[in-house]
Amino acid sequence: DQQVKQNSPSLSVQEGRISILNCDYTNSMFDYFLWYKKYPAEGPTFLISISSIKDKNEDGRFTVFLNKSAKHLSLHIVPSQPGDSAVYFCAASDHSGGSNYKLTFGKGTLLTVNP
Amino acid sequence: DSGVTQTPKHLITATGQRVTLRCSPRSGDLSVYWYQQSLDQGLQFLIQYYNGEERAKGNILERFSAQQFPDLHSELNLSSLELGDSALYFCASSAQSYSNEKLFFGSGTQLSVL
Repeated sequence: DQQVKQNSPSLSVQEGRISILNCDYTNSMFDYFLWYKKYPAEGPTFLISISSIKDKNEDGRFTVFLNKSAKHLSLHIVPSQPGDSAVYFCAASDHSGGSNYKLTFGKGTLLTVNP
Repeated sequence: DSGVTQTPKHLITATGQRVTLRCSPRSGDLSVYWYQQSLDQGLQFLIQYYNGEERAKGNILERFSAQQFPDLHSELNLSSLELGDSALYFCASSAQSYSNEKLFFGSGTQLSVL
């Protein structure tokens, strides 16, 4: 049972345009969401996060939107740059387990930004 | 550079064998996490250690085990290896053990079981 779903395996956009990466989740206990970016031959690196008490978080060119009623979040990259080409993972966690930590990841979306 | 070191980068072995993957967390980080990324799969959480003690367990097979040593480095032991164990294994670390902490990942160990 996949609790975090990234239904688009890949996305291709032109440099300077907006990239929108989508993520859906099924577990209503998730209350913290993160995006990680992964380049080939490297480990994932943290990009941006959002708590369930917010519906938007912005960091430079990156904005994450959270729609709790739809159990959906999206990552917007504006403007997209060729260096943004990478695999983007959506991840979610909940605090219901106390200090136990389990981050649930989606399968990732490969973003290609064409010059 | 995340500051998390994983060795070896590549490992090729045969079915039925046993291997050990090693991870050194960022300086000062107390938590270590192990993840498995199989072909066409997302990152699957295996296990977490905090300051030497097991803190959380995910979908880790009984053939797999891990430990964290007093110097905080961690090892993931995989035994009786099967073809399906071929995957990229990531180690990550964080300062504490809170679920809203960001993780710092190593570059992974690519395990190929032939």
